[in-house]
Amino acid sequence: DADVTQTPRNRITKTGKRIMLECSQTKGHDRMYWYRQDPGLGLRLIYYSFDVKDINKGEISDGYSVSRQAQAKFSLSLESAIPNQTALYFCATSDSGTSGSTPDTQYFGPGTRLTVL
Amino acid sequence: GEDVEQSLFLSVREGDSSVINCTYTDSSSTYLYWYKQEPGAGLQLLTYIFSNMDMKQDQRLTVLLNKKDKHLSLRIADTQTGDSAIYFCAETPLLGNTPLVFGKGTRLSVIA
Repeated sequence: DADVTQTPRNRITKTGKRIMLECSQTKGHDRMYWYRQDPGLGLRLIYYSFDVKDINKGEISDGYSVSRQAQAKFSLSLESAIPNQTALYFCATSDSGTSGSTPDTQYFGPGTRLTVL
Repeated sequence: GEDVEQSLFLSVREGDSSVINCTYTDSSSTYLYWYKQEPGAGLQLLTYIFSNMDMKQDQRLTVLLNKKDKHLSLRIADTQTGDSAIYFCAETPLLGNTPLVFGKGTRLSVIA
């Protein structure tokens, strides 16, 4: 969905490096999410934010941190990357129902493929 | 907690119908969703059904909801090679203000 953008789209890094993945949206949604996707494991929720002052841990938050800089921006950081964080990372947004969109329907960015060597 | 189950793989011949099944645990879900992920892309919302409906049809797609059995299915008529993708089922969770719960996805392979 072009309304949700992620940068970078691909990143190769080394063990121990700090990495930041960024997500921006123009949908005007208040809720944002970070997922990782691994083959056979589906999507796993890392963190989510229901508004600028709200941050919640998901299923697999260890080793990750997030920052909600503005309603439209939600970044994911890997403080010290390790090889088992190699995965496809997706950002998503949804609306709580205040803007008229179907509540909770999530819209995804194109993904960031991260490789940690 | 909530759980959404799907079979991991489905293979069909081009022109046949595909049926992708999903079971969920939360009987109070408001909406149930189907997302499609094509190779190298993010998830796209394909369709959704409100929990007070039994069926929803949209061109080649038919969604059936059996609330008694907590079973959701997606039927794709006249399946084409372009339908090859991973299909994710998702439900709104029991607790309000928590994210959607996704299944692990069904990889549909269409054989020409």
